[in-house]
Amino acid sequence: GAGVSQSPRYKVTKRGQDVALRCDPISGHVSLYWYRQALGQGPEFLTYFNYEAQQDKSGLPNDRFSAERPEGSISTLTIQRTEQRDSAMYRCASSLFSGGQETQYFGPGTRLLVL
Amino acid sequence: DQQVKQNSPSLSVQEGRISILNCDYTNSMFDYFLWYKKYPAEGPTFLISISSIKDKNEDGRFTVFLNKSAKHLSLHIVPSQPGDSAVYFCAAGGSNYKLTFGKGTLLTVNP
Repeated sequence: GAGVSQSPRYKVTKRGQDVALRCDPISGHVSLYWYRQALGQGPEFLTYFNYEAQQDKSGLPNDRFSAERPEGSISTLTIQRTEQRDSAMYRCASSLFSGGQETQYFGPGTRLLVL
Repeated sequence: DQQVKQNSPSLSVQEGRISILNCDYTNSMFDYFLWYKKYPAEGPTFLISISSIKDKNEDGRFTVFLNKSAKHLSLHIVPSQPGDSAVYFCAAGGSNYKLTFGKGTLLTVNP
């Protein structure tokens, strides 16, 4: 079956522009997570959805970052007024159920470069 | 402060030998640990996990060992194959859904 997909795979934008990154989780997966990965680091948690409800957004770095999952499936991570420090790999993951000890399956990521 | 540490950025092993990748953690609330494997230009792929109620989990050539008292886990790959060459991430989770990752170890298996 299809895994987690993300689009675009690469995004180059100019400082100050808004970007929207899309995540399509594994069909039927209840939970969806966004992570950010800097070069040479592991993924760092940004936000989590249980169905359409955003249960935790504690990892979002500031209010320029927002995410939604309106129908409990596809999610969009939006970064407004991008800055060069936003450049990173943005990864989405999904899991079948919510709660701890659930295996999270990752997508290929969107590499964002802010010039 | 890093809660999950992979102190070896890289490891090189001969084909057929054992690969041992190590991971240390500091947060005693972690009760679930996972290893992910990542090839270039791909996302991390789930490899194997272990709950804190166990000290060993085995899946084919891959075995994860957990030493709770030392807050240490390791991934053993036996025998190592060239296709195992990848970056391996250790991740830890608690009662919630957040995973905390280490920085990764690049494993190279030489033919």
